[in-house]
Amino acid sequence: SQTIHQWPATLVQPVGSPLSLECTVEGTSNPNLYWYRQAAGRGLQLLFYSVGIGQISSEVPQNLSASRPQDRQFILSSKKLLLSDSGFYLCAWSLDRGRYGYTFGSGTRLTVV
Amino acid sequence: AQSVTQPDIHITVSEGASLELRCNYSYGATPYLFWYVQSPGQGLQLLLKYFSGDTLVQGIKGFEAEFKRSQSSFNLRKPSVHWSDAAEYFCAVGGNRDDKIIFGKGTRLHILP
Repeated sequence: SQTIHQWPATLVQPVGSPLSLECTVEGTSNPNLYWYRQAAGRGLQLLFYSVGIGQISSEVPQNLSASRPQDRQFILSSKKLLLSDSGFYLCAWSLDRGRYGYTFGSGTRLTVV
Repeated sequence: AQSVTQPDIHITVSEGASLELRCNYSYGATPYLFWYVQSPGQGLQLLLKYFSGDTLVQGIKGFEAEFKRSQSSFNLRKPSVHWSDAAEYFCAVGGNRDDKIIFGKGTRLHILP
């Protein structure tokens, strides 16, 4: 069966520090991968998605970047965190253009202080 | 462009009462439609999905939703809610023209004892 792992679960980082959040999927090949951010009262904001290794689509210009170095690995990064980067970050995967829905990881709560 | 509107930010119902959460979408072709549920601090869990066939869709936890093309709606229903249904609910839309699905801003469901 397919599983998705996302870590860490919580993270407190100072302003200006770097960020690396990792997401891996097991039990499937060539999934579409997604990073969402959820801020209080603002729903889910799609940040990046990837349909293959090295292919990244950015939805919102911002202080973050994403990379997909392996088929089932998706990394969210920042060189210098801002206070506004705080939020709940969710990774998800899908097949067949999301026809069957997305499967989400358990999320990372990031607090920038 | 695809979009999803959930007009109710908060809904409060009594335990045992019926529930309907509203969702309206905009999509230029036959949509894929989804309902997700999120408990506090957790990832999103897929309740049900529609992409073709019978317009009344049954999901997990006793939920159902009906696709009404003429009204561009996909409302979620449950005949009798339980205290454990208190959570946030997200409607989402995608389609075979896109590699991503778009989420509404969510409806938070509160249950009165």
